[in-house]
Amino acid sequence: DAGVTQSPTHLIKTRGQHVTLRCSPISGHKSVSWYQQVLGQGPQFIFQYYEKEERGRGNFPDRFSARQFPNYSSELNVNALLLGDSALYLCASSPSTAPLSTDTQYFGPGTRLTVL
Amino acid sequence: RKEVEQDPGPFNVPEGATVAFNCTYSNSASQSFFWYRQDCRKEPKLLMSVYSSGNEDGRFTAQLNRASQYISLLIRDSKLSDSATYLCVVYGGSYIPTFGRGTSLIVHP
Repeated sequence: DAGVTQSPTHLIKTRGQHVTLRCSPISGHKSVSWYQQVLGQGPQFIFQYYEKEERGRGNFPDRFSARQFPNYSSELNVNALLLGDSALYLCASSPSTAPLSTDTQYFGPGTRLTVL
Repeated sequence: RKEVEQDPGPFNVPEGATVAFNCTYSNSASQSFFWYRQDCRKEPKLLMSVYSSGNEDGRFTAQLNRASQYISLLIRDSKLSDSATYLCVVYGGSYIPTFGRGTSLIVHP
């Protein structure tokens, strides 16, 4: 079975631009979470979606938004990019059958975003 | 105080050594705990869950100390392939996961 997939793998943008990152969860997984990982730090939780609804939000500005589609894939959008948004953006899916859970998360390979 | 704290290391150990990492957490209501492994420039992968009674998986042992609010990971008979960053994850009462910054392990011949 395919794991979590993310696209694109790498992206270079300039300050002020907008970016959309995409994620396809493992087949059958309805929960998708997004994380930001800057160099030397652990992943930081951004959003969790379950059954197309936002179920959790981390401490990120409103420039960050996300959505989940009927096929459970997800997009993360970041507006008005700042230099500090340069990071690895990870998507994770979970086999959870409840909106809120602590089930194992399966991570995708990430999208490496560089903001110049 | 940070919610979840880990010594970033690196821990530099010879093959065959036993090494242990701790991860402290500040929220006494935390309910679930995990260790993930992350290889350089790769995604994190689950290593093991941490149960109240402790658990063991081959050379790896994880333990939880609720009174002192920390979890630990013990690796016995270290292999070169164990070289990686080990991330602890703590779920607070809101079901939001908090990752530590990771502890770097380097196993040398």
